[in-house]
Order: sequence, then structure tokens, then C-alpha cells
Amino acid sequence: DVKVTQSSRYLVKRTGEKVFLECVQDMDHENMFWYRQDPGLGLRLIYFSYDVKMKEKGDIPEGYSVSREKKERFSLILESASTNQTSMYLCAIRTRFTDTQYFGPGTRLTVL
Amino acid sequence: GENVEQHPSTLSVQEGDSAVIKCTYSDSASNYFPWYKQELGKRPQLIIDIRSNVGEKKDQRIAVTLNKTAKHFSLHITETQPEDSAVYFCAAGNSGYALNFGKGTSLLVTP
Repeated sequence: DVKVTQSSRYLVKRTGEKVFLECVQDMDHENMFWYRQDPGLGLRLIYFSYDVKMKEKGDIPEGYSVSREKKERFSLILESASTNQTSMYLCAIRTRFTDTQYFGPGTRLTVL
Repeated sequence: GENVEQHPSTLSVQEGDSAVIKCTYSDSASNYFPWYKQELGKRPQLIIDIRSNVGEKKDQRIAVTLNKTAKHFSLHITETQPEDSAVYFCAAGNSGYALNFGKGTSLLVTP
């Protein structure tokens, strides 16, 4: 069974704070993704990574950065949180040899 | 880049009826088309997928059809049940690369 975990289910931060969201997988999957989900806008890709130290911008990378120092961990960083980054953040992995994406439970971030 | 349009945004059906959700995509290179179901408060989960070398795929009450020429694909749910109520997302992408998701369809099945 594929297991994807995220560091927090709920997070409240203040404007201007640096925020770290972490995603951890328990298998040796190369591909990891960060999405944000907003009502009426679906799932939008922020960043993805094909392997350690590799990263690619998605559709909405502005205001975000990522880090992948180890294969099992993919971090999303909000350098200076803003209220328009209040959202549900979903991490996903793609299993090796298939295109199936498995999602983590999500982190609901509120920026005040 | 790929653009995925999904319709309708909301759908209400009576239990036992069929439900159809339609998606179109723009990139003719896309060859992988999954559908995800997201129940309230839960993560999206894959329910069925289809590749471009197949025109139709069925799994019990769920089926997906793909028309490559017209660049559209559809999800069909037959004999709907209240537990089918959820948000459904279509997606399109090129095998091995990132997916582009539609904006979702909120399906409500009323008893």
C-alpha cells in the first residue's frame, strides 16, 4: 500500500511568516508533486520533482519554493506567507512504472 | 501547456439514475486520462483511468470513454448510490509527466 503523509492537517500562520509544509513517502518513488486546492479552481500544480535535488515549476509557482534533499521527503516553502495563500495543500507521489498519483491527506493552511 | 475543461460543475441525480461528467483537453500529446473521486474531508483517490490506445474501459458501475479525435473523455456512473456523492476530477497528461486537472464536478445523489 502506498503511504503518503503530510506534516500537519491544519496550520495557522501570520502574514510574513516563513512556512514549511512537508511531505513524506515510505517507498522509493522518484516523482513527487505539490498542489493547492481551492473551491471552484480544482487542483493546481505548484511544483514537482523527478528526483533528489531536482525541481520543476508547475502552473502557479509564484510565492513558493521547494526542497528535495532526500528521496522520501519533498518540502513546500512559503518564503513570506500572504493571505491569498490560504488554501488546502496536497502532496502526491507517482508510483514507479505507472502514472497513478497517490495523494497525501492534505494540509489546510490559514494565513491571518 | 495542457488545458482541461470539465462540465458540469455540479450535478444532481436521483438514486439509481446514471451520471455523466465530460472533459476536454487541448494537448494532442496527452495519453493518460485518470479520474479521481474526493469525498468530503478526504484526499482524492483514483477510481479509473484510460490510456490513449483504448477507447473505453469499464469497472463495475463506472466506465470511461475517450475520443482522441475530438479530444474529449467522459466518466459514466450507472445505478448511482448515495455513496457516489463526492467531487470528481478528470485529468490529462503525458505518461511520465505531471497531470493537469479539471476544476471538478460536485455530484449529489439523492435517495
